[in-house]
Amino acid sequence: DVKVTQSSRYLVKRTGEKVFLECVQDMDHENMFWYRQDPGLGLRLIYFSYDVKMKEKGDIPEGYSVSREKKERFSLILESASTNQTSMYLCASSPPGTVDGYTFGSGTRLTVV
Amino acid sequence: TQLLEQSPQFLSIQEGENLTVYCNSSSVFSSLQWYRQEPGEGPVLLVTVVTGGEVKKLKRLTFQFGDARKDSSLHITAAQPGDTGLYLCAGRGGAQKLVFGQGTRLTINP
Repeated sequence: DVKVTQSSRYLVKRTGEKVFLECVQDMDHENMFWYRQDPGLGLRLIYFSYDVKMKEKGDIPEGYSVSREKKERFSLILESASTNQTSMYLCASSPPGTVDGYTFGSGTRLTVV
Repeated sequence: TQLLEQSPQFLSIQEGENLTVYCNSSSVFSSLQWYRQEPGEGPVLLVTVVTGGEVKKLKRLTFQFGDARKDSSLHITAAQPGDTGLYLCAGRGGAQKLVFGQGTRLTINP
């Protein structure tokens, strides 16, 4: 019954490393999103994609990039990890339209040391 | 920029009590959603409200969308320990992306 799968639940990386967070959905959804969640700040949108090979910046894209080569997969890339990128990262998908909710993955807790 | 303010941010009550969580904005939203998130998991959609004044019930949970579609409330009757979690409201403006509130962390003590 799992619909949005994030490849890792926990990751520890060193400062300066290039980090890949993978997200796969099996619901044939057009829209996919990457958020980070920090205490007191809620969910902040990093990047989103409405279709294959399309991407748009969210509210906090600095230090991140994304890739969507296939409809079901949306990858978040930290080009050079920094300690302030330590966070919970959540991937979500949704069908097109303005009423449907998001289906979230279980999250990846990333620690950068 | 559309913002959603949730209150309270933290709430700890005894089992059996009633509670209300609020979600407010100065912006109009075409729809508003409520999610619940448990530790170590992603948020799970509880309900979507679309029409101003709309009320939806999910067992002991009652959700209301304000008449002007700028605010919403979540009321829980006779809270149970299983209701413990982080409750998030999220509004949709015109685009397909959601704006999330900061969340209300609810603890129900047995």
